[in-house]
Amino acid sequence: AQSVTQLDSQVPVFEEAPVELRCNYSSSVSVYLFWYVQYPNQGLQLLLKYLSGSTLVKGINGFEAEFNKSQTSFHLRKPSVHISDTAEYFCAVRRGENGQNFVFGPGTRLSVLP
Amino acid sequence: ETGVTQSPTHLIKTRGQQVTLRCSSQSGHNTVSWYQQALGQGPQFIFQYYREEENGRGNFPPRFSGLQFPNYSSELNVNALELDDSALYLCASSTYIGPGEQYFGPGTRLTVT
Repeated sequence: AQSVTQLDSQVPVFEEAPVELRCNYSSSVSVYLFWYVQYPNQGLQLLLKYLSGSTLVKGINGFEAEFNKSQTSFHLRKPSVHISDTAEYFCAVRRGENGQNFVFGPGTRLSVLP
Repeated sequence: ETGVTQSPTHLIKTRGQQVTLRCSSQSGHNTVSWYQQALGQGPQFIFQYYREEENGRGNFPPRFSGLQFPNYSSELNVNALELDDSALYLCASSTYIGPGEQYFGPGTRLTVT
């Protein structure tokens, strides 16, 4: 079964500093990778996705992620964070072409400090 | 374009009761998936509906059941509620074809006492 690991449960960082949130997945063919953000008391919002093509993917709010097949990783980065980036971040994997469900990681709580 | 909506926003039930949660999918989407998100955890897949039939199920007991209607909206029913069923229940809609993203609703917070 597919699994997703987010190595850091909490990441505190000062405002305007860079941040990397780590995500590793169990190896499988044809995986599609996603990062979602969840603000307090809200649902999940898509940040970015990797389906194919360039391994560097740019998303909303200045976030980007790099797909590394050999390391089975899909780490999320932002060069300069803002207070408003404080939220829970989830990495997710989707198998197959059609109708397959997502497998989510346990999440990383990003806290941006003033 | 209308996004995914869920109702109710919050509800409180007593152990042993039954509950129904509702979801309206995003315009143009024909597939609905339900997830349970316990406090401090990632969402766990419950099941998915496509063409009004269950199209995949996670590790949840049969007392979790669902429906999808011709307009692609969906219901999640949970019988014989247990304390551990307290969670945020998320509905996500998508198209069946293609590996694209799922669009999530705001969730229903269920508290079982």
